[in-house]
Amino acid sequence: KQEVTQIPAALSVPEGENLVLNCSFTDSAIYNLQWFRQDPGKGLTSLLLIQSSQREQTSGRLNASLDKSSGRSTLYIAASQPGDSATYLCAVRPGGSTLGRLYFGRGTQLTVWP
Amino acid sequence: GAVVSQHPSRVICKSGTSVKIECRSLDFQATTMFWYRQFPKQSLMLMATSNEGSKATYEQGVEKDKFLINHASLTLSTLTVTSAHPEDSSFYICSARRGQVNYGYTFGSGTRLTVV
Repeated sequence: KQEVTQIPAALSVPEGENLVLNCSFTDSAIYNLQWFRQDPGKGLTSLLLIQSSQREQTSGRLNASLDKSSGRSTLYIAASQPGDSATYLCAVRPGGSTLGRLYFGRGTQLTVWP
Repeated sequence: GAVVSQHPSRVICKSGTSVKIECRSLDFQATTMFWYRQFPKQSLMLMATSNEGSKATYEQGVEKDKFLINHASLTLSTLTVTSAHPEDSSFYICSARRGQVNYGYTFGSGTRLTVV
């Protein structure tokens, strides 16, 4: 069974810092990995999707990398802003599954203060 | 892009009553939708996979008679919490994937259920 771990569980930083959020998964046989953002009491917003054949994806100040063989992904946030405060979730879609379910980590709760 | 609409966003109901939550894919057809439950400061727990035109597949430990799932069309799936109890109070979120394997998942905005 796939297990996803996210470190750290919480992070509090001043505005402007560059951040790295970590995600690890136990089974490297995946279709893809997706990073989400969740604001309190809200649904999930997709940030980046990395296919198993890719090494990284970028969107604005966000960059996600994937090392499938070692079961790791990182989300890099450049020049953090208070508006980045949210919980960031990492999810993997296992390979070989036609049902397509996702396995989630518990998330990293990020607070960026002015 | 792919949009999933979920309603209601909040609902308060009395113990013993039933509550229906709707999840619609607005601009794409979703053969499969997923229902998750999230407890405070916890991650998402998959409850069931909803397949259009067939019975849902429930995860181990999820009571199928309590959490009724119907996926009557390619754009609508519903979750009905029957005979709700306070311990059913939680945040419920649906998701769907547009088409092919390599697409990501889109999530609804979630429903906060409070049973009093």
